Amino acid sequence: GAGVSQSPRYKVAKRGQDVALRCDPISGHVSLFWYQQALGQGPEFLTYFQNEAQLDKSGLPSDRFFAERPEGSVSTLKIQRTQQEDSAVYLCASSLGTGYNTEAFFGQGTRLTVV
Amino acid sequence: QQQVKQSPQSLIVQKGGISIINCAYENTAFDYFPWYQQFPGKGPALLIAIRPDVSEKKEGRFTISFNKSAKQFSLHIMDSQPGDSATYFCAASGNDKVIFGPGTSLSVIP
Repeated sequence: GAGVSQSPRYKVAKRGQDVALRCDPISGHVSLFWYQQALGQGPEFLTYFQNEAQLDKSGLPSDRFFAERPEGSVSTLKIQRTQQEDSAVYLCASSLGTGYNTEAFFGQGTRLTVV
Repeated sequence: QQQVKQSPQSLIVQKGGISIINCAYENTAFDYFPWYQQFPGKGPALLIAIRPDVSEKKEGRFTISFNKSAKQFSLHIMDSQPGDSATYFCAASGNDKVIFGPGTSLSVIP
């Protein structure tokens, strides 16, 4: 597709449930980022992939959060045993270049609500 | 030391006026400073970005001014239009991190 695609757009999970969020980056983009955006706040970095390698996961808030990009294209962010504080919009971005200081294109995000 | 501060939190500008949003960073290793525009229910979209080797960059109605010594940069929107009403985020990034500001909600009134 022409842009970064994320699915689902909305997800309601019961507390304790596991969820999986998908990101389809722009074809050929090497870098892929996940961000968490709380209501009324700026995006906060979660993790960074260069191709299939997860080079930085320093922003993942707990070991309940796990991300993968096994073939260097589609990525999945998994949250185990969801908690209410996990409610946020999860944004994926991709970039043709490598590193954090390149032009990144964002998807529309997945709004996760934990009830 | 890793924060990016952004002001104002919200801004109301009349159509045709100039909107000015300011950001400040602390980490001197940052070398890429983009501005993003976000509409409700959408992801952030890159507006314009600057690197510290220049003090100003203009693209259409959008201008970034960059002051390396003060570690500050600002976005100017000339001839603001109602369609510019959105939330604007500055960001700062370097070799090993990217940090976003908290955002400015801009309303352009007719």
